[in-house]
Amino acid sequence: DIQMTQSPSSLSASVGDRVTITCRASQNINSYLNWYRQKPGKAPEILLYEASILQRGVPSRFSGGGSGTDFTLTISSLQPEDFATYYCQQSYSPPLTFGPGTKVDLK
Amino acid sequence: QVQLVESGGGVVQPGRSLRLSCAASGFSFSNFAMHWVRQAPDKGLEWVAFISYDGSYEFYADSVKGRFTISRDDSKNRLYLQMSSLRSDDTAVYYCASSGDYGDYYLEYWGQGTLLTVSS
Repeated sequence: DIQMTQSPSSLSASVGDRVTITCRASQNINSYLNWYRQKPGKAPEILLYEASILQRGVPSRFSGGGSGTDFTLTISSLQPEDFATYYCQQSYSPPLTFGPGTKVDLK
Repeated sequence: QVQLVESGGGVVQPGRSLRLSCAASGFSFSNFAMHWVRQAPDKGLEWVAFISYDGSYEFYADSVKGRFTISRDDSKNRLYLQMSSLRSDDTAVYYCASSGDYGDYYLEYWGQGTLLTVSS
């Protein structure tokens, strides 16, 4: 199975900050990497798929990059609704696996 | 708009069985692969099971293989998860999720979840 790791596990930031989260796969997954945001008490929602493609309706302050084993999610200017937990997920092959999550909270 | 509504959760004793259901609307259910994902209390997301758009193949997480079965009824626009030999570590919110236009293995739409508690 493909293992996913994320760093940091948590971070504190302020509204307007630029934030970057890293995700690493245990083997090459090409660009089959998706990012989700989960607000407290809510279901996850997809932000980006195939590493860098913005899901329709998602604000352009979100961007993603990387391929192979190393990926990043960047929020260019953090908004109040972005204080949440972020998960990466590999869609290269089943069993699908998520990273452990990165919690972004208010500094 | 797309809606996925899970039901069937509750409190069940260890070793018992339970079936979760997910009612889909607002999209062509029969055209999309579907997933179950769970989240234990204060834990991360764990993918549980997948079924192809036509039901011809399924995949499971190792943690549920042999105990859980995913199925679908396209005539009713419903997804199911039959769970047996339930254990305390199956306690979680269970989400159903649909794939999207760009592939079977990414989760575009999610339900609000149903809570399963396995406890004596």
